[in-house]
Amino acid sequence: HLVESGGGVVQPGGSLRLSCAASGVSFSAYGMNWVRQAPGKGLEWVAFIRYDSVNKYYADSVRGRFTVSRDNSNNTLYLQMNSLRPEDTAVYYCAREGISAVTGTAFLYNYFDPWGQGTLVIVSS
Amino acid sequence: DIQLTQSPSSLSASVGDRVTITCRASQGISNHLNWYQQKPGQVPKLLIFAASTLQNGTPSRFSGSGSGTDFTLTISSLQPDDLASYFCQQSYSAPFSFGPGTKVHLK
Repeated sequence: HLVESGGGVVQPGGSLRLSCAASGVSFSAYGMNWVRQAPGKGLEWVAFIRYDSVNKYYADSVRGRFTVSRDNSNNTLYLQMNSLRPEDTAVYYCAREGISAVTGTAFLYNYFDPWGQGTLVIVSS
Repeated sequence: DIQLTQSPSSLSASVGDRVTITCRASQGISNHLNWYQQKPGQVPKLLIFAASTLQNGTPSRFSGSGSGTDFTLTISSLQPDDLASYFCQQSYSAPFSFGPGTKVHLK
């Protein structure tokens, strides 16, 4: 299971740190993602961190404001969110990278599975 | 960056109907395309990865096809449990974008 925490209400310009705790699922060998969903809207990928933290990628909408990190010794993923804006209001999900081979191909395929239940962040004055 | 578009944005169909949802990528992504189902109030769930491989537990009425820029998710016989939004997502290169979604309603 993946369990997010740390959401809440914050004023514009404020900061928040989200956590995602993994239990019963392999964590340290897999990349991890943050995905968000604004109320009534679609899914938006936010950030990815490789299993060893060597590579990190961000959506343009959060680059320079959000920082993804992880602690493999504690099976926990983090998202530090600074300079928050009203448009950052969303449910934030963590999702583990899944990797599978497909018969007949030489490639490995990535996807998001499993997902946490999400934590709600509201940016409002 | 790779953009994904989906059509239609919503559809209404009857139980037993064949339903087709299309996803188009702004550039070729081979078959690095995944489909997710999100039922109202629930967490997204992986249905299909690598464009056409069903995730364990996905009912066989779901199928995926396509390669390059054009992809399709098909529900061969729509069931009441399929009321949901469906999102495509590319895993070819970061940023790992999602399509805007298709909401499936029952008539």
